[in-house]
This record gives sequence, C-alpha cells and structure tokens, in this order.
Amino acid sequence: QKEVEQNSGPLSVPEGAIASLNCTYSDRVSQSFFWYRQYSGKSPELIMSIYSNGDKEDGRFTAQLNKASQYVSLLIRDSQPSDSATYLCAVNTNTGGFKTIFGAGTRLFVKA
Amino acid sequence: DAMVIQNPRYQVTQFGKPVTLSCSQTLNHNVMYWYQQKSSQAPKLLFHYYDKDFNNEADTPDNFQSRRPNTSFCFLDIRSPGLGDAAMYLCATSRDLVNEQFFGPGTRLTVL
Repeated sequence: QKEVEQNSGPLSVPEGAIASLNCTYSDRVSQSFFWYRQYSGKSPELIMSIYSNGDKEDGRFTAQLNKASQYVSLLIRDSQPSDSATYLCAVNTNTGGFKTIFGAGTRLFVKA
Repeated sequence: DAMVIQNPRYQVTQFGKPVTLSCSQTLNHNVMYWYQQKSSQAPKLLFHYYDKDFNNEADTPDNFQSRRPNTSFCFLDIRSPGLGDAAMYLCATSRDLVNEQFFGPGTRLTVL
C-alpha cells in the first residue's frame, strides 16, 4: 500500500462547479496534512495546511480531515479554468524518520 | 519578498559530467530539502538538512550529495549523472519538520 494515495485523474469539472479531490494515507499517527497545487512545468505551491479533524476554509478552498478514516480532501468551489493543475496531497509521517510524503497528485481540468 | 531561489533554472550536462545545483532562501528556515520529480510522479525526497544535521533517505543513490555551508544556501551535487537522473530538482524549506514547505521554482536537468 502506498503511503499517500490519490486518484491520478484527470478529474474534469465544468466552470463554476465544485471540484472534490481526495487523499488517503497509511500512517495512523500522522499529524500534519497539506495540499499543494502544481501547474505543468512549475514547482508545487502551498494551498492549505490542516492539522485537526474537521473542515478548514480559505476562500474558495476547503480542506477536510478525518483522522479516524485516514483521509483528507480538498474542495474547490466555483472552479475556474485557472484552477486546472495537478493537486498534490502531502502528509507528515514519523515512520522510518520524520518526513513529508507526497502523493502523485490528481490532475484537475476545469472546462470553460 | 522572502523566497526560495534556485539556480540555474535549466541545466544541461553530459552523461557522467558532475553537476551542481544551488538553492538559497531568505526565509531563515531551519530545514532545507531536495526533491527529485519526474513527469507525472510525486516529488521524491532525496535528503534534508535540519540546520546543520544532514538526513539522507535510505534509497537516495550515492551519486547524489548535498552541502549546506550556511543557513541560506544548500547545494545538490550529482557526481556522475546518468540518463535516469534527468528530472526536475526541487528545493524546499520549512521552519520546522512539522510545518508546510515552500518550494523554489526548480531546476530542470537534462542529461545528454
């Protein structure tokens, strides 16, 4: 089992819709969770960090964390074509040394 | 603006010819990371420095070395690049190991 799993996509949504991106992780004691956006050929850019169970909202973005089920999700409301990118989920783990593990990302395509 | 800078942005080298990539930061963060990212894959952590303490990932080839002469700078040395080392190399920093990471723009390495 991969340590951080994401559907590779592509996930295609129409402009103005809600895009829902999901991530599961294997280390039950993980405490820090991050979502990054990566445009093609560019480096990852932090969107959200979340540390506690529940929802965290920042503008059009909402991160949701459920530690019992070991998943974290990102909702993008009112999706725009400029949101088209790969979204990377990252999880801090203390297995084999403390480090951040990245998922391979979900490609999102927002159709105008 | 506080930032993470990588030079060069594009590097072309010949098979077996040593190459050095550089990273600098003005964030005064304790931790600096080097990742390798190939197309459609997750960033793969090569190593990180917590201050002067070097932490090498178990599966990082010996061909890859790193130096951190001071808080602001960190270098990635590839002693004998092979064709399989062609990738985007990402430098990132974080205040501490549990915090979000901030990425530089990356260096795209081509090996001929």
